[in-house]
Amino acid sequence: DTGVSQDPRHKITKRGQNVTFRCDPISEHNRLYWYRQTLGQGPEFLTYFQNEAQLEKSRLLSDRFSAERPKGSFSTLEIQRTEQGDSAMYLCASSLQGGAEAFFGQGTRLTVV
Amino acid sequence: AQSVTQPDIHITVSEGASLELRCNYSYGATPYLFWYVQSPGQGLQLLLKYFSGDTLVQGIKGFEAEFKRSQSSFNLRKPSVHWSDAAEYFCAVGALNAGNMLTFGGGTRLMVKP
Repeated sequence: DTGVSQDPRHKITKRGQNVTFRCDPISEHNRLYWYRQTLGQGPEFLTYFQNEAQLEKSRLLSDRFSAERPKGSFSTLEIQRTEQGDSAMYLCASSLQGGAEAFFGQGTRLTVV
Repeated sequence: AQSVTQPDIHITVSEGASLELRCNYSYGATPYLFWYVQSPGQGLQLLLKYFSGDTLVQGIKGFEAEFKRSQSSFNLRKPSVHWSDAAEYFCAVGALNAGNMLTFGGGTRLMVKP
């Protein structure tokens, strides 16, 4: 098992462009989480999936943010019309249902210029 | 709503000295508590966790933490710090009734003097 994998590791984009990040969880984990971490802060919960169902999305920062997990395996996080304030590290984590312990990926660092 | 406070933003200790990082939480029920470590530009690695039972939990890399319900605290300790322990440390509480969504503290940056 290679752990939680995120792609890309770094993304630089111009303001107004759309970006999409991918997360591949640990294979047997049915829960997948997205967090955002700005410089000098702790991670902030965005959304999570159980299998393909998105069970919590009220914490997504605006309607420009959306996430999918179409087949209950990998997930994507999309940010439309990026703004400079979206610059952050986006972390993905996965866990077993009821297992509680979440394993994090290395993150995708987004820079909006 | 749950919350986590890490009162110390930065801590500097000498190599070989003991370490204690403070964490206070607010949660309406029995909490699931975690300590994670993050090296620069990296993801988070779990050091240890508390779910129930013995209030003194052992983790990786020689770390331990003690859950004190009366003080709403979950402080992280290590008897002898190594230079490789320099990193950012995050305490978190998990919400079992919300898919175990984690709420993190603001982190404590540990620097180790030779």
